[in-house]
Amino acid sequence: EAQVTQNPRYLITVTGKKLTVTCSQNMNHEYMSWYRQDPGLGLRQIYYSMNVEVTDKGDVPEGYKVSRKEKRNFPLILESPSPNQTSLYFCASRMGGRNTGELFFGEGSRLTVL
Amino acid sequence: RKEVEQDPGPFNVPEGATVAFNCTYSNSASQSFFWYRQDCRKEPKLLMSVYSSGNEDGRFTAQLNRASQYISLLIRDSKLSDSATYLCVGYTGTASKLTFGTGTRLQVTL
Repeated sequence: EAQVTQNPRYLITVTGKKLTVTCSQNMNHEYMSWYRQDPGLGLRQIYYSMNVEVTDKGDVPEGYKVSRKEKRNFPLILESPSPNQTSLYFCASRMGGRNTGELFFGEGSRLTVL
Repeated sequence: RKEVEQDPGPFNVPEGATVAFNCTYSNSASQSFFWYRQDCRKEPKLLMSVYSSGNEDGRFTAQLNRASQYISLLIRDSKLSDSATYLCVGYTGTASKLTFGTGTRLQVTL
């Protein structure tokens, strides 16, 4: 089954404790992206990757890091989480080239930073 | 001003009604548009693409007006299962970027 898998789905952590949210897709997609979704602000892009070893900042990259060492994986790293990073996070992927607009999303990771 | 703007709603309509949402965009370089559906606490999923003037798929019709820079989504014969948040999305090819609106919530009632 074609899918984007995120882990963990739910996480409560404390300020300053490094964490990683993993994302894996099995569709051989070139493009992958991370979004956060907050009430009243909608989906905002954190980082994206056009292909292996190619990453770039989105609209709200501060406090986050990513890496793309393999095509299928695109982990999101919070080196020192803060309460303002409490949010619902989505990983998404799509084919490269001409944009079809169809992003495939993971089920989301709800993060709470105390 | 947000690049893609939507009325947050909620739109409360009875089953069987026709409902329309509008979405305005500010970036004239946006090339194509999409409507996504998001159920509560779930991931967004593509509903329709709008590449030229419009698109129709069953009960759903999407239209694009480039002169006025808005996109609309019309849902006919609303079903209870249509209750969700509908996200308007613009694509800008030069930046290979998808920009999401904040969504319009629809609640269909008996």
